[in-house]
Amino acid sequence: EVQLVESGGGLVQPGGSLRLSCAASGFTFSNYWMSWVRQAPGKGLEWVATIRNDGSENFYVDSLKGRFTISRDNAKNSLSLQLTRLRAEDTALYYCARAGDYRSGYSTYFDYWGQGSLVTVSS
Amino acid sequence: DIQMTQSPSTLSASVGDRVTITCRASQSVNNWLAWYQHKPGKAPKLLIHKAFSLESGVPSRFSGSGSGTEFTLTISSLQPDDFATYYCQQYNTYSATFGQGTKLEIK
Repeated sequence: EVQLVESGGGLVQPGGSLRLSCAASGFTFSNYWMSWVRQAPGKGLEWVATIRNDGSENFYVDSLKGRFTISRDNAKNSLSLQLTRLRAEDTALYYCARAGDYRSGYSTYFDYWGQGSLVTVSS
Repeated sequence: DIQMTQSPSTLSASVGDRVTITCRASQSVNNWLAWYQHKPGKAPKLLIHKAFSLESGVPSRFSGSGSGTEFTLTISSLQPDDFATYYCQQYNTYSATFGQGTKLEIK
């Protein structure tokens, strides 16, 4: 059974940093591209970032480039998202998601999701 | 970015009803369109990808259609477990974008 379990969320002050993690199990992690998707309170879903299965390429939504960094450790079946220079509008539930397909230069759909890790940016 | 617009935003229906949710793209996404079901406190669930390909294990009462800029998700006979929020998502560009969601409520 595919499982994705996020951790690392919490309350952080504006301008601060946080690192989210996602523990993957039930599939060969190193074969899959992985992503982060977020949902602000009362809002819809927003794709954040995707990383290639071997970690050689990362893709980000334009509005977040330079502040967030996606990474992975295939030996530990783990995905991470480093959030820096956080703003109030980054408050959201952050989901780890597995990519359903891979087309070079294009995004993907998401076939499995975790339950999310809540990040709250507030003073 | 491609904008995805769902209608309606809220839909009230009864068990057994046939319901249709529409998703329109600001430009063609070909068939690169997915649908998700999301319940509060739970992980979103993929229902359909590539506009009409039903995911394994998803009941056959769910179906997707459309291409280009207009797509529909149809539930042929609503069941109690189907009351949730539904999202469409395009993946025809570098940056995936979602619709704003359609909340399906019990009438």
